[in-house]
Amino acid sequence: GQSLEQPSEVTAVEGAIVQINCTYQTSGFYGLSWYQQHDGGAPTFLSYNALDGLEETGRFSSFLSRSDSYGYLLLQELQMKDSASYFCASHTGGFKTIFGAGTRLFVKA
Amino acid sequence: EAGVTQFPSHSVIEKGQTVTLRCDPISGHDNLYWYRRVMGKEIKFLLHFVKESKQDESGMPNNRFLAERTGGTYSTLKVQPAELEDSGVYFCASSRATGGSGNTIYFGEGSWLTVV
Repeated sequence: GQSLEQPSEVTAVEGAIVQINCTYQTSGFYGLSWYQQHDGGAPTFLSYNALDGLEETGRFSSFLSRSDSYGYLLLQELQMKDSASYFCASHTGGFKTIFGAGTRLFVKA
Repeated sequence: EAGVTQFPSHSVIEKGQTVTLRCDPISGHDNLYWYRRVMGKEIKFLLHFVKESKQDESGMPNNRFLAERTGGTYSTLKVQPAELEDSGVYFCASSRATGGSGNTIYFGEGSWLTVV
């Protein structure tokens, strides 16, 4: 089967750094993406890793270790507007994408 | 460029009735996906079209759900007859055929279905 595990909730304060982990078990894996979803909105793409290492996009960075079947999303300089659900998603052959259950991030003042 | 559009945005129907959700993908996107999110849980894969063909429908819960993609353009997802557990948000998404940088999937705003 295919599955992704991520924490259900994370709470942090404004200005802090938070890391959301994701472990996956996916056959035919070729990459890991992260999506953000605000309440009532559509999931939006944040980042993608196909190779091991860190990808940085502004305040957000994403990391992948294929040997460990593990990745994380790093959010720096947290802002209140970052409060949302964050989903990791694994991509497999045939362009199929499977999502994790999502991590609810609460940013406090 | 228009994004993925879905219709209706909200629907409330009675158990046993039929509902048809429509999705218009981004122009030029051969891949079209349907996902469902129930009560704040995971975004669960339902099925995947490549043009008009069903590439993978392993996530469809049962034969009450029927998806079509006429001519490889827009897609419909029909639920007949609807049951209470079908309530949730149905997301449509699309992506280009070649994958590119991560095969980025673009989501619609979702169709919120409530079965009462």
